[in-house]
Amino acid sequence: TQLLEQSPQFLSIQEGENLTVYCNSSSVFSSLQWYRQEPGEGPVLLVTVVTGGEVKKLKRLTFQFGDARKDSSLHITAAQPGDTGLYLCAGVGNNDMRFGAGTRLTVKP
Amino acid sequence: GAVVSQHPSWVICKSGTSVKIECRSLDFQATTMFWYRQFPKQSLMLMATSNEGSKATYEQGVEKDKFLINHASLTLSTLTVTSAHPEDSSFYICSANQRGHTDTQYFGPGTRLTVL
Repeated sequence: TQLLEQSPQFLSIQEGENLTVYCNSSSVFSSLQWYRQEPGEGPVLLVTVVTGGEVKKLKRLTFQFGDARKDSSLHITAAQPGDTGLYLCAGVGNNDMRFGAGTRLTVKP
Repeated sequence: GAVVSQHPSWVICKSGTSVKIECRSLDFQATTMFWYRQFPKQSLMLMATSNEGSKATYEQGVEKDKFLINHASLTLSTLTVTSAHPEDSSFYICSANQRGHTDTQYFGPGTRLTVL
């Protein structure tokens, strides 16, 4: 059983469309992180959210942490082919980190 | 700053042999290092957590005698896959915490292991 549930698992959209990826858990985390991973490479940290209700923006990416610090969402506006990749959420606990199953995003030109 | 390297980046070995993968923090001291395994099109699964100078803590279902972890210094951890079998073929990724910043892990680029 995955500690963190991500949805959708796969997403294929056209360039210019918007999308939202969800990360849900029954556990409370001290913080939650979002990563993007390209094939054959390690994950790269996009953002860390710490406070319940927190919203962070990174250019066309908007990250939100749920009020109860159990869930998070990633919204991409006007997706571009360069956004293609595996998006992973990770819950940070006591000196460890648990990853969601990931959302594989493909943005077609 | 906060760069983690892994060596080798890929390795192919015969079934029954052992393979050692190195994980180094290049510009910081890593109090804790983590080893993950990632199968194709799947997420990262934590295998073990190691603190410098102490024994690694393995996740349930990970055989400690098969995946030997040594964290001998604050900048180096090694993972040895002993008596490798084809089902051990995977992408192995390490990460490291910087002293005083335990909420952030810095990931290595990964090592692709293929066991024939």
